[in-house]
Amino acid sequence: DTGVSQNPRHKITKRGQNVTFRCDPISEHNRLYWYRQTLGQGPEFLTYFQNEAQLEKSRLLSDRFSAERPKGSFSTLEIQRTEQGDSAMYLCASSTWTSATNEKLFFGSGTQLSVL
Amino acid sequence: DQQVKQNSPSLSVQEGRISILNCDYTNSMFDYFLWYKKYPAEGPTFLISISSIKDKNEDGRFTVFLNKSAKHLSLHIVPSQPGDSAVYFCAARDAGNTGKLIFGQGTTLQVKP
Repeated sequence: DTGVSQNPRHKITKRGQNVTFRCDPISEHNRLYWYRQTLGQGPEFLTYFQNEAQLEKSRLLSDRFSAERPKGSFSTLEIQRTEQGDSAMYLCASSTWTSATNEKLFFGSGTQLSVL
Repeated sequence: DQQVKQNSPSLSVQEGRISILNCDYTNSMFDYFLWYKKYPAEGPTFLISISSIKDKNEDGRFTVFLNKSAKHLSLHIVPSQPGDSAVYFCAARDAGNTGKLIFGQGTTLQVKP
């Protein structure tokens, strides 16, 4: 069990560029989440998948954001036409969800995005 | 609208003493609560949780108390150790939406040797 892996750890980009982050969850975890965290705030929910199905997207997630989990394993989060307000830590988490248990999310170390 | 609030941005305690971190929530539909700990440059790590059907859960030095009538939960760490110095987040799950957690803003705990 190697934990949740996120790449890259840091990304610096210019405003208007597209960026893509990758998350590899703990193997066999059926749920995968994306959160965003800014300084002095707690993680903020963006979207989540159960297997390959995207079940919910936050209304905070603009059309410039898209996430995929094509085979129910790794996931990518793409931000198009980045803005300075997109600068944040992007956290991925995974879990094993069943109807009988309360799930616990296991987080990766995050990708720190800086938009210049 | 901040549904989960941690009103103390920081807390400093002496090693060996008790640390008490507090969290308030507004949504009565929350049915499951968690505490996470975060070190710099790392993601949050799960610490302890409690279901709304309980009022206390204990795991070693960590105890979480839930007061549903007051919509308040607290995390007690005793005895506190310097390695406990970190940012602590409380999080809550909506019973009607099992898919996501709502986090508070975090409290930075410093345990002094």
